[in-house]
Amino acid sequence: EVHLLESGGGLVQPGGSLRLSCAASGFTFGSCAMSWVRQAPGKGLEWVSIISASGGSTTDADSVKGRFYISRDNSKNTLDLLMDDLRADDTAVYYCAKAVHLYIGASGYTYFDYWGQGTLVTVSS
Amino acid sequence: EIVMTQSPVTLSVSPGERATLSCRASQSVRTYLAWYQQKPGQAPRLLIHGASTRATGIPARFSGSGSGTEFTLTISSLQSEDFAVYSCQQYNDWPLTFGGGTRVEIK
Repeated sequence: EVHLLESGGGLVQPGGSLRLSCAASGFTFGSCAMSWVRQAPGKGLEWVSIISASGGSTTDADSVKGRFYISRDNSKNTLDLLMDDLRADDTAVYYCAKAVHLYIGASGYTYFDYWGQGTLVTVSS
Repeated sequence: EIVMTQSPVTLSVSPGERATLSCRASQSVRTYLAWYQQKPGQAPRLLIHGASTRATGIPARFSGSGSGTEFTLTISSLQSEDFAVYSCQQYNDWPLTFGGGTRVEIK
């Protein structure tokens, strides 16, 4: 059974940093792209960042580019998100998600087949 | 970016009735569309991918249809465990984008 468990959320001041982690089990972690998706209070889901199976390629949403850094350790089956220069609008539940990445021709298409329960990040003074 | 718009925001349905949820894309996403179910405090759950393919273990009462810019999720006969928030996601283009969700509540 696939299991994704996020940790590291909490209260942080604007401009501060936080590292989220996701522990994965139940599948071949090193063969799967992984992603972070967030949901602000009362809002819809927002894709944040994705990392390839090997960790050699990452893509970020414009809203977090240059502030958030996704990484993974395939030897430990863990996914991380380092968040710097946090702002109030980064307040959200952050979900770790296992990606299904389809390669069709030269293009990639990604949806998410398993999600964690999320960890809450609150940015406030 | 492609904007996904879901309607209605809230749908009140009696158990056993049919629920029809809509998702519209601001430009064509072909059939690169997924649907997810969210319950409070639980992980989101993949229901449908490729606009109409049920994910593993999803009951047959859930069905998806549509292509291009207009999509529908139908729950043929609502069970008590189906009252939740449903979100669509396009994966035709980057950035990946989600709709704002439809809450299905008990009438």
